[in-house]
Amino acid sequence: EPEVTQTPSHQVTQMGQEVILRCVPISNHLYFYWYRQILGQKVEFLVSFYNNEISEKSEIFDDQFSVERPDGSNFTLKIRSTKLEDSAMYFCASSPGTGSTGELFFGEGSRLTVL
Amino acid sequence: GEDVEQSLFLSVREGDSSVINCTYTDSSSTYLYWYKQEPGAGLQLLTYIFSNMDMKQDQRLTVLLNKKDKHLSLRIADTQTGDSAIYFCAEDMDTGRRALTFGSGTRLQVQP
Repeated sequence: EPEVTQTPSHQVTQMGQEVILRCVPISNHLYFYWYRQILGQKVEFLVSFYNNEISEKSEIFDDQFSVERPDGSNFTLKIRSTKLEDSAMYFCASSPGTGSTGELFFGEGSRLTVL
Repeated sequence: GEDVEQSLFLSVREGDSSVINCTYTDSSSTYLYWYKQEPGAGLQLLTYIFSNMDMKQDQRLTVLLNKKDKHLSLRIADTQTGDSAIYFCAEDMDTGRRALTFGSGTRLQVQP
């Protein structure tokens, strides 16, 4: 069964460092997302991406964040200068095109720890 | 803005039914979802319901939607220890953009 894969599963970084989280969405999907879950809190929407551009972003997704689909298969989330409060589990998701139920398929997450 | 609320914890005995409740605020939601998260794992879609439906049954799962009260519930029949997990209710913020607002999750503990 096709699945969304994410790497790394866990990354520890120093505050102020750049981090890139990688995702390989399901191959025929058209919509891509990043969510995050701070420990013990809700899963929060960060950004959605369609047709090679951001279609929506939340207040959390400020200038420190960027997304890219560099090669038609990977979907990356970059945090330019990490802060302590960026420590969270980051989930990538993908979704088929229009006409579907809107079901999002999630990866297993990348845990980011900022020290 | 959109908000989704759930109770934090539910404990049941194996073989009993579990009912997990959720309230949401966005009356324009088209779909409402239940996701399951096992320890250390991602979010797995369990079931969803279209907003013009009152009920949906899928094997041991029954979803009830009261659109007037903006109340969604998930009933798990014959709950098993393998059902122990966190269950998230989610509503779509806007189906055109396909972003979801999640509740805080209900931790279901199934006692043998």
